[in-house]
Amino acid sequence: ELKVEQNPLFLSMQEGKNYTIYCNYSTTSDRLYWYRQDPGKSLESLFVLLSNGAVKQEGRLMASLDTKARLSTLHITAAVHDLSATYFCAVYSGGGADGLTFGKGTHLIIQP
Amino acid sequence: EAGVTQFPSHSVIEKGQTVTLRCDPISGHDNLYWYRRVMGKEIKFLLHFVKESKQDESGMPNNRFLAERTGGTYSTLKVQPAELEDSGVYFCASSSRGMWETQYFGPGTRLLVL
Repeated sequence: ELKVEQNPLFLSMQEGKNYTIYCNYSTTSDRLYWYRQDPGKSLESLFVLLSNGAVKQEGRLMASLDTKARLSTLHITAAVHDLSATYFCAVYSGGGADGLTFGKGTHLIIQP
Repeated sequence: EAGVTQFPSHSVIEKGQTVTLRCDPISGHDNLYWYRRVMGKEIKFLLHFVKESKQDESGMPNNRFLAERTGGTYSTLKVQPAELEDSGVYFCASSSRGMWETQYFGPGTRLLVL
């Protein structure tokens, strides 16, 4: 059974600082997704990572994938308050259920 | 282009009652998914439709849950009779071509069973 673990689950940080959220998964995956959720809103797709060594960047967020280590990271550079949200990683395994397997999410608070 | 919409946004019912949740996917998306997040737990996959056909319902918790997608457009998820442990947020998502494509999520329906 595919398991996805995120850490930390809760993160409070100051504006201007850098930090990384980690996502480990237990079995071979075809692709990995990062989503963002603001309170009461939809999950918004941030990145899709398809292959080993993939790196994608959007603004202050950068995601990477190491399929050999079964690890993805979401790096936040010079955080700003607007990035406060819950971030989920999700994995599609291809050989199991049709749906995505999610981590528990990282609740990120960025304080001025 | 309108996103995935869900109705109602919130529902509070008593144990034993019936509730029906609705999801309207993005127009033209053949693939529709239901997920659920119980408090403190991960978002869990429930089932997957391609058009009106159920492709995978391996995540449905039990036979109190019935999902339909008549005509391959909107979908409903009925819980009958509802139990306390059914409380949570029910998400719907859609994708255009297949389950490997990015899934676009709705805002969810928050269900509370008392």
